[in-house]
Amino acid sequence: GQQLNQSPQSMFIQEGEDVSMNCTSSSIFNTWLWYKQEPGEGPVLLIALYKAGELTSNGRLTAQFGITRKDSFLNISASIPSDVGIYFCAGQLSGTASKLTFGTGTRLQVTL
Amino acid sequence: SAVISQKPSRDICQRGTSLTIQCQVDSQVTMMFWYRQQPGQSLTLIATANQGSEATYESGFVIDKFPISRPNLTFSTLTVSNMSPEDSSIYLCSVGNQGGYEQYFGPGTRLTVT
Repeated sequence: GQQLNQSPQSMFIQEGEDVSMNCTSSSIFNTWLWYKQEPGEGPVLLIALYKAGELTSNGRLTAQFGITRKDSFLNISASIPSDVGIYFCAGQLSGTASKLTFGTGTRLQVTL
Repeated sequence: SAVISQKPSRDICQRGTSLTIQCQVDSQVTMMFWYRQQPGQSLTLIATANQGSEATYESGFVIDKFPISRPNLTFSTLTVSNMSPEDSSIYLCSVGNQGGYEQYFGPGTRLTVT
């Protein structure tokens, strides 16, 4: 089935650094969502994007819906230890009702 | 957003047995979904739970293995039948509303099959 490729697969950064990750596909998506999953928990919705080119912020997080509608980016500024977790992108393909396809995930580790 | 709970939170089961997982939402929702997350992997949609009718399964998942019920707009169950060690995963339910694409997830059920 359709797959969303996320990069990088994992990141080890120092507290205070900025983080950037992306999600790409060969297909066009109508909606992009970004989730964070911490150990032992379900994914938590961070940001939802609905229009090509849209740039949306949620605190230190900023995400963009790529103009081609085949990619999305998530940036985290001034990382802190509680940013640790796995970040997943998810997209809704045209004609697939409300179903989401999830990316492969980016594992973020923050060191002091 | 809705508060979603799942029971059990975790279980260890013997192969050949079945386990039913419950998903309860504190408000009525249009859409409910069941996902599987294998160890260290991403989320894979198993099926859409339809209220009052049969669930809609994704390719690779069948009703005999993963029967789903959804008797009302706040509750759904997923059964993992005739389990094998390959069924060891986290099973997650999510909810959303018609016409919207945001989904909110429960805490998951961690299943280990021995």
